[in-house]
Amino acid sequence: QVQLQESGPGLVKPSQTLSLTCTVSGGSISSGGYYWSWIRQHPGKGLEWIGYIYYSGSTYYNPSLKSRVTISVDTSKNQFSLKLSSVTAADTAVYYCARAPESQLAFSWGQGTLVTVSS
Amino acid sequence: QSVLTQPPSVSGAPGQRVTISCTGSSSNIGAGYDVHWYQQLPGTAPKLLIYGNSNRPSGVPDRFSGSKSGTSASLAITGLQAEDEADYYCQSYDSSLSALFGGGTKLTVL
Repeated sequence: QVQLQESGPGLVKPSQTLSLTCTVSGGSISSGGYYWSWIRQHPGKGLEWIGYIYYSGSTYYNPSLKSRVTISVDTSKNQFSLKLSSVTAADTAVYYCARAPESQLAFSWGQGTLVTVSS
Repeated sequence: QSVLTQPPSVSGAPGQRVTISCTGSSSNIGAGYDVHWYQQLPGTAPKLLIYGNSNRPSGVPDRFSGSKSGTSASLAITGLQAEDEADYYCQSYDSSLSALFGGGTKLTVL
């Protein structure tokens, strides 16, 4: 069974870049067939899709975040990463990594990690 | 403002049946894209409940069912149990492969 685990700083200063990594175990990113995604949830709010990456490197981003987001993949480490630049308090959220079969785009989720933007 | 519209809350007594609607548009659900449903228990990550409009992953009780018609989809829960109290989200996508979520519905078991 594939498991996903988010890691990264829990506190980021305003204007800096938020960086998170998702480590995949129990399956290989490079085997293909899945989109590897980042999704966030503001405190007490709903879910917001940030973007996803295919193992080949093709990326798809939420248009509202596209100018600040970069998602990349490191198949040698079986990891994919999120960078969100110029963060503000509005970027404080629980960040989830997830994967979705390319045939369905239905997500299976990591446990999530809280990132707080504060000085 | 979510692209997919869900009622903010629904409630029902144990044993009853409740439904949660998810309304989209001709650009997403109405264009034929699948709808998926997630259950989020308090303090936990969302869990896939229904995929491909009406399919249940292994381990999901058959009390949960999904349907889709036109620009809308619905999640039905029969034989309501206390453990079903959670937030429920629908999800679809559009032609640019952007994933779209509903705003979520809080289910209260009375």
